[in-house]
Amino acid sequence: DADVTQTPRNRITKTGKRIMLECSQTKGHDRMYWYRQDPGLGLRLIYYSFDVKDINKGEISDGYSVSRQAQAKFSLSLESAIPNQTALYFCATSDSRGPMGEKLFFGSGTQLSVL
Amino acid sequence: DQQVKQNSPSLSVQEGRISILNCDYTNSMFDYFLWYKKYPAEGPTFLISISSIKDKNEDGRFTVFLNKSAKHLSLHIVPSQPGDSAVYFCAALSGYALNFGKGTSLLVTP
Repeated sequence: DADVTQTPRNRITKTGKRIMLECSQTKGHDRMYWYRQDPGLGLRLIYYSFDVKDINKGEISDGYSVSRQAQAKFSLSLESAIPNQTALYFCATSDSRGPMGEKLFFGSGTQLSVL
Repeated sequence: DQQVKQNSPSLSVQEGRISILNCDYTNSMFDYFLWYKKYPAEGPTFLISISSIKDKNEDGRFTVFLNKSAKHLSLHIVPSQPGDSAVYFCAALSGYALNFGKGTSLLVTP
């Protein structure tokens, strides 16, 4: 079983709909992240959480919200989806900064298409 | 403005030869640099990292070189294998989270 699980793997929705992407982890890590990947733009940070009571915006948080329901669960919501939120979304975890730097463990991604 | 830049979108190398992937950065406060590898339909996986106080780190076929004065790092893969064909992301750490480059797609041909 994957250590970082994202659901759903694929989602097609319409403009204006509310969407939730879910992430759960069995690694026991405190830190969780949401990134999006767009062709030619690499990975950009949306939100991150260093523990259950700590939520922080990343560089592209507008139009998104998150919820850290438990140490193992971190969900990303699009309150009113728009076409330019079509992207590949990744959840990641880390157990804090170690000698390797901030080593992230990624889920397999959720491909979201907003029509 | 992008702080981590991978200016080569793609690279093709023959099996057995050396692959060199390059990365430039603008923020001198970055204290760790990491490389991630991504196959289609999978999430990125950690490959190798280097602290800003070092200039080289080696792990098997993979070596990362850091030139702080030039704000440049490179990943060397020797010898390259077809299974190395993937997208490689350079990332830099300062403070709370990683900044990623756009990625370089490596194709290793038999």
